[in-house]
Amino acid sequence: DAGVTQSPTHLIKTRGQQVTLRCSPKSGHDTVSWYQQALGQGPQFIFQYYEEEERQRGNFPDRFSGHQFPNYSSELNVNALLLGDSALYLCASMWTSGAETQYFGPGTRLLVL
Amino acid sequence: ELKVEQNPLFLSMQEGKNYTIYCNYSTTSDRLYWYRQDPGKSLESLFVLLSNGAVKQEGRLMASLDTKARLSTLHITAAVHDLSATYFCAVDINNDMRFGAGTRLTVKP
Repeated sequence: DAGVTQSPTHLIKTRGQQVTLRCSPKSGHDTVSWYQQALGQGPQFIFQYYEEEERQRGNFPDRFSGHQFPNYSSELNVNALLLGDSALYLCASMWTSGAETQYFGPGTRLLVL
Repeated sequence: ELKVEQNPLFLSMQEGKNYTIYCNYSTTSDRLYWYRQDPGKSLESLFVLLSNGAVKQEGRLMASLDTKARLSTLHITAAVHDLSATYFCAVDINNDMRFGAGTRLTVKP
């Protein structure tokens, strides 16, 4: 049973560019959340997707957008990249009706130059 | 606004010693999580605490939750080097997961 997978593992972009990160949830999970983790800090909640809709959103600008597909996989898009967007981006999945925890993917490390 | 505070932020302890990490949060929540993160790695789930008075134990780690005090603790018993990592608590408020800043634990021989 594959866990949460993310691609790519590493990415280098320049300011002003756009980036798309991808996430496949753990088998049986229908809810995907995205987090940004800057170096030395705790993860910051970006948003959560369930049934292909954004169910909850953290304090992030509209430059951050996402999508969930019918197979529950998800994308995170960031437009007009800033240097401060450099971070580890984590995807987590869960079954919305369950009492279990979220399972995190290995993350995508984004560097904006 | 929901705030989640952990202390201490840095903890250096000797092998064999006991210590407790504290997690305070500012808003009522019925779900509290503890995660472990090794350097350069993702987060590994340790415990999910769902009700007042909940206590869970796994190996040398034990977590508890007091929802009235809005406090969770992660107790380390007879620490070993393999426990060296950063530990995060997180609180779920209506599907918005807020993390503490993390406690960086170093266990020395």
